[in-house]
Amino acid sequence: EVQLVESGGGLVQPGGSLRLSCAASGFTFSSYWMSWVRQAPGKGLEWVANIKQDGSEKYYLDSVKGRFTISRDNAKNSLFLQMNSLRAEDTAVYYCAKIAVAGNYYFDYWGQGTLVTVSS
Amino acid sequence: DIQMTQSPSSLSASVGDRVTITCRARQSISDFLNWYQQKPGKAPKLLIFSASSLQSGVPSRFSGSGSGTDFTLTISSLQPEDFATYYCQQTYNSPWTFGQGTEVQIK
Repeated sequence: EVQLVESGGGLVQPGGSLRLSCAASGFTFSSYWMSWVRQAPGKGLEWVANIKQDGSEKYYLDSVKGRFTISRDNAKNSLFLQMNSLRAEDTAVYYCAKIAVAGNYYFDYWGQGTLVTVSS
Repeated sequence: DIQMTQSPSSLSASVGDRVTITCRARQSISDFLNWYQQKPGKAPKLLIFSASSLQSGVPSRFSGSGSGTDFTLTISSLQPEDFATYYCQQTYNSPWTFGQGTEVQIK
């Protein structure tokens, strides 16, 4: 059974930093692109970042470029999101998601999410 | 960025009703269109990928159609567990973008 379990969320002041983790199990983690998606309270879904299987390619939402860094440790089946210079508008539930590729790209599994609150 | 627009933003329907949600892309995205269901406090769940392919384990009352710029998610006979918010998503171009969501409520 595929499982994705996020951790690391919490309350942080504007300008602060936070590192999110996602522990993956039930599939060959090193064979798949992975992603972070967020959802502000009461709002819709917003893709944040993608990372290739070996970490050699990374893509970001423009509003987080230069502030957020996606990374992975295939030996530990883990995905990370380092978030620096946090802003109030980064407040959201952050989900990690596994990317499936079958002609198209789509998120076939999601974690339960971890809440990040940026506030003074 | 490719803007995705869903309609309606919300709808009220009864158990057994046929429900149709539409999603329009601002430019052609071929069939790089996915649909997700999200219930309150839960993670989204994949329903349909590549515009019309049903994800394994998803009931056959869900179906998707369309190509290019106009897409449809249909629930043939609404069930109590289908009351949720539905999102379309394009993965044709980065940044991958979602529609604003359609909330399906009980009439």
